[in-house]
Amino acid sequence: ELKVEQNPLFLSMQEGKNYTIYCNYSTTSDRLYWYRQDPGKSLESLFVLLSNGAVKQEGRLMASLDTKARLSTLHITAAVHDLSATYFCAVETSGSRLTFGEGTQLTVNP
Amino acid sequence: EAQVTQNPRYLITVTGKKLTVTCSQNMNHEYMSWYRQDPGLGLRQIYYSMNVEVTDKGDVPEGYKVSRKEKRNFPLILESPSPNQTSLYFCASSFLPPGANVLTFGAGSRLTVL
Repeated sequence: ELKVEQNPLFLSMQEGKNYTIYCNYSTTSDRLYWYRQDPGKSLESLFVLLSNGAVKQEGRLMASLDTKARLSTLHITAAVHDLSATYFCAVETSGSRLTFGEGTQLTVNP
Repeated sequence: EAQVTQNPRYLITVTGKKLTVTCSQNMNHEYMSWYRQDPGLGLRQIYYSMNVEVTDKGDVPEGYKVSRKEKRNFPLILESPSPNQTSLYFCASSFLPPGANVLTFGAGSRLTVL
């Protein structure tokens, strides 16, 4: 059974600081996705990582994928309040199935 | 506007009373899927469908049924709801590979079973 584990599950940080969210998974896959969920809202796609070594950046967020280590990271640079949300990674396996991590609830404080 | 539409958005029901949550997408996506979201558990897949008349179980299918008679619709059926099915449900759709499986999610349906 595929396990997708994120850490930390809760992250409280100050504006202007940097931090990294980790996503580990237990089976072979070279396709990983990051989603964002605002409180009370649905999920929206952030990044699509489709090969080993893939790196994507959007604003203050950068995601990377290391398929050999079965690890993806979501790096936050100089956090701002608008980044407060829950972030999910999702691993794609055969049959286009996506397995989600538990989510990391990020709070950015002034 | 490209979207996935779920109804109802909120529902309170009682144990054993059959209910259906509808899901419709207007993007001509082949792939559709249902997830439930519970605190601390992330999203867990209930059922998915690769195309019309093709459905398969996800990780937590017990107590649920689905059908895919038309490409745009993928209803979730709870034949005899129980309190442990109280949850937030999301329908999602996407194109099939070889492209990326980027899901478009509906707004969610919050179900309470008393």
